[in-house]
Amino acid sequence: KQEVTQIPAALSVPEGENLVLNCSFTDSAIYNLQWFRQDPGKGLTSLLLIQSSQREQTSGRLNASLDKSSGRSTLYIAASQPGDSATYLCAVREYGNKLVFGAGTILRVKS
Amino acid sequence: EPEVTQTPSHQVTQMGQEVILRCVPISNHLYFYWYRQILGQKVEFLVSFYNNEISEKSEIFDDQFSVERPDGSNFTLKIRSTKLEDSAMYFCASSEDRGDTQYFGPGTRLTVL
Repeated sequence: KQEVTQIPAALSVPEGENLVLNCSFTDSAIYNLQWFRQDPGKGLTSLLLIQSSQREQTSGRLNASLDKSSGRSTLYIAASQPGDSATYLCAVREYGNKLVFGAGTILRVKS
Repeated sequence: EPEVTQTPSHQVTQMGQEVILRCVPISNHLYFYWYRQILGQKVEFLVSFYNNEISEKSEIFDDQFSVERPDGSNFTLKIRSTKLEDSAMYFCASSEDRGDTQYFGPGTRLTVL
């Protein structure tokens, strides 16, 4: 059964710092991996999708990498801002339809 | 930008009552999903739906749950006889194709008393 783990569980950084969020998964037979942002009491906003054949994807200040063979993905956030404060979720899609989620990393960027 | 919408935003019901949660997926999307998130826990997959039938469901999605696409725009989740443990945030999602990005709605918070 696929298990997704995210480290750290919480992170507090000063504004302007570059940071890395980690995601690991136990079964490398995945179709793709998606990173989401969740604000308190709100829905999930998709940030990046990486197909299993890709190594990385970039969107603005966000860069996500995927090492499928080792079961790891990282989300790099450059020049963090207070508006980046949220919970970041990693989810893997196996060769079916469902996404399997990690518990998330709660990020706080202090101004 | 097109988005997934859900109604109501918050539903309070008594244990044993039936509830229907409604979703309007993005208009050109073909795959639809329901997930739930119990407070403080991970987001969990419930069911996926394609071409007017369930394509995959989790062990959570038992006989108390059903899904329907009653018309060309709505996608509903029905819980026949709610239990206390059904209290959660329920998210609808849709994707254009099977391997594409899943876009999530804002959720319906279900509270069962």
